[in-house]
Amino acid sequence: ELKVEQNPLFLSMQEGKNYTIYCNYSTTSDRLYWYRQDPGKSLESLFVLLSNGAVKQEGRLMASLDTKARLSTLHITAAVHDLSATYFCAVDMYSGGGADGLTFGKGTHLIIQP
Amino acid sequence: NAGVTQTPKFQVLKTGQSMTLQCAQDMNHNSMYWYRQDPGMGLRLIYYSASEGTTDKGEVPNGYNVSRLNKREFSLRLESAAPSQTSVYFCASSVSGITHTQYFGPGTRLTVL
Repeated sequence: ELKVEQNPLFLSMQEGKNYTIYCNYSTTSDRLYWYRQDPGKSLESLFVLLSNGAVKQEGRLMASLDTKARLSTLHITAAVHDLSATYFCAVDMYSGGGADGLTFGKGTHLIIQP
Repeated sequence: NAGVTQTPKFQVLKTGQSMTLQCAQDMNHNSMYWYRQDPGMGLRLIYYSASEGTTDKGEVPNGYNVSRLNKREFSLRLESAAPSQTSVYFCASSVSGITHTQYFGPGTRLTVL
């Protein structure tokens, strides 16, 4: 059974600080995804990581993937209030499945305070 | 281009009632999905349809049925609603390719009394 674990599940931080969210998964997967969800809203795709060593950056967010360690990180640089949201990582449910659905972590609820 | 749309946005049912959640996408995607989101649980896959004419069970299919009506539409039916089905339901779609990124609808908030 594929398991995806995120930590921390809750994070309160100050503007201007750096922090990292961790995502561990239990079996080999072809792709790893990061999504953002604002309260009461839908999920917005942030990154798709396809291979070992992949790194993607968008603004103050940077995601990386280590397939050997089955670990992905989402790094926040110089946090600003607008980044407050819940962040989910997800992996393909079945190895090589592609269209077979995703297994999600429980999400990291991030609050950034002035 | 509306993306993924879902109806209704909110629904309250009594235990034992039935209802169908509707989902449509206008992005010409092959694959469609239904997830439920419960507090502190992330999203869990209920059913998916890899292509028109096919449907398969996900992680939590009990109590639900689905229909892939055509390439655009994928509906989720609760035959006899139970309080445990109180949740937010998201529909998603994806295009075949390297990334298979899923795009999500706005969600349906369902309460079963």
